[in-house]
Amino acid sequence: DAGVIQSPRHEVTEMGQEVTLRCKPISGHDYLFWYRQTMMRGLELLIYFNNNVPIDDSGMPEDRFSAKMPNASFSTLKIQPSEPRDSAVYFCASSLGGVSYNEQFFGPGTRLTVL
Amino acid sequence: GENVEQHPSTLSVQEGDSAVIKCTYSDSASNYFPWYKQELGKRPQLIIDIRSNVGEKKDQRIAVTLNKTAKHFSLHITETQPEDSAVYFCAAWNTGFQKLVFGTGTRLLVSP
Repeated sequence: DAGVIQSPRHEVTEMGQEVTLRCKPISGHDYLFWYRQTMMRGLELLIYFNNNVPIDDSGMPEDRFSAKMPNASFSTLKIQPSEPRDSAVYFCASSLGGVSYNEQFFGPGTRLTVL
Repeated sequence: GENVEQHPSTLSVQEGDSAVIKCTYSDSASNYFPWYKQELGKRPQLIIDIRSNVGEKKDQRIAVTLNKTAKHFSLHITETQPEDSAVYFCAAWNTGFQKLVFGTGTRLLVSP
């Protein structure tokens, strides 16, 4: 398996522009997570899905952020409009759920720079 | 909600020494405690985990201990090597909130 795939790996954009980050989870995994990592705030959970349904979006910082999972193999995280404080590394992770919690596998991340 | 505290934030040791990283959690409903290693510019990767029905788990040079009463768990690395240098994150899976809460990370530096 190729693991969790994210694109793009790097994104540089100007303030006010729309940014879309993409994620393909590991085939068969039914949980998908979006994290943001910064030096100041560490690793923060933004939102997660179970069977394509958003379960908890309490970590989404504000209305400028939105996430979708139209099918089991694809998810997007959109920022519109982007701001310099959104600069961070965004990780997508997936896991196989069930009665017992299981390991989350992280993607390589997208490094976002908003100028 | 769950809160996970991790100490120390940085740890410097000499090659061959042992390193210990400690975490505490707040919610007794947490029952799964993974540790992730993140090398510079890379993704976090699971190195060891422990469930609440176990007090200790070992995998070669790394071990994790869990004290449910005190709500703390620790990562132990013995015979450290330069390639152990990385940021280590502890986490707690809360069954009530159904989410994994991460600690703030420990930057470990192993000097040759």
